[in-house]
Amino acid sequence: EVQLVESGGGLVQPGGSLRLSCAASGFSFTNYWMSWVRQAPGKGLEWVANIKQDGSDKNYVDSVKGRFTISRDNAKNSLYLQMDSLRAEDTAVYSCARDTVGLILPVGFDLWGQGTLVTVSS
Amino acid sequence: DIQMTQSPSALSASVGDRVTITCRASQSINNWLAWYQQKSGKAPNLLIYKGTSLESGVPSRFSGRGYGTEFTLTISSLQPDDFATYYCQQYNTYPRTFGQGTKVEIK
Repeated sequence: EVQLVESGGGLVQPGGSLRLSCAASGFSFTNYWMSWVRQAPGKGLEWVANIKQDGSDKNYVDSVKGRFTISRDNAKNSLYLQMDSLRAEDTAVYSCARDTVGLILPVGFDLWGQGTLVTVSS
Repeated sequence: DIQMTQSPSALSASVGDRVTITCRASQSINNWLAWYQQKSGKAPNLLIYKGTSLESGVPSRFSGRGYGTEFTLTISSLQPDDFATYYCQQYNTYPRTFGQGTKVEIK
């Protein structure tokens, strides 16, 4: 089955760190850029970061630059998001998404995981 | 950053109604625009890509139009399964940005 499954969310204090994981299955992980997208409770979608197939290129939204690091392990078909210096405003459901940038026909995000909740609170 | 503005933010409609949602970009994004449907507690689902192309498996009652800065998503005959929140998203430049969403509710 083609799917993305996130894990690693939880409750963390402001200033703390958390590492999210996304396990991909059912497709050729190495053929795709991958993205993280978040959604604060009751709010809209916000793209966070993406990473190229070989990890050589990464992009971030300004609000997380210098605090979050996206990475991947193609041998494990896994995507990661290391989140440091967390703030209350980072509280959200974080989802990984298959990103079609760079393909012959980019279509946006064509596969999403269900997400993992990160709560930043003291 | 490119701002994506959807209108309306919410609408009430009946089964069978024709519904149109507008998405405006703060600068030209050519046709690098996607539409997603999100049901409560679920992951978003891609409906339309490149402004006008229907994703495989999506019912033909969904259609997209537009180029440059103004885009629309139309549901030709609203079905019970279509009550959800809809988002537009540009993938022309970084950072990728979404509209604020349009919630389609039952009248």
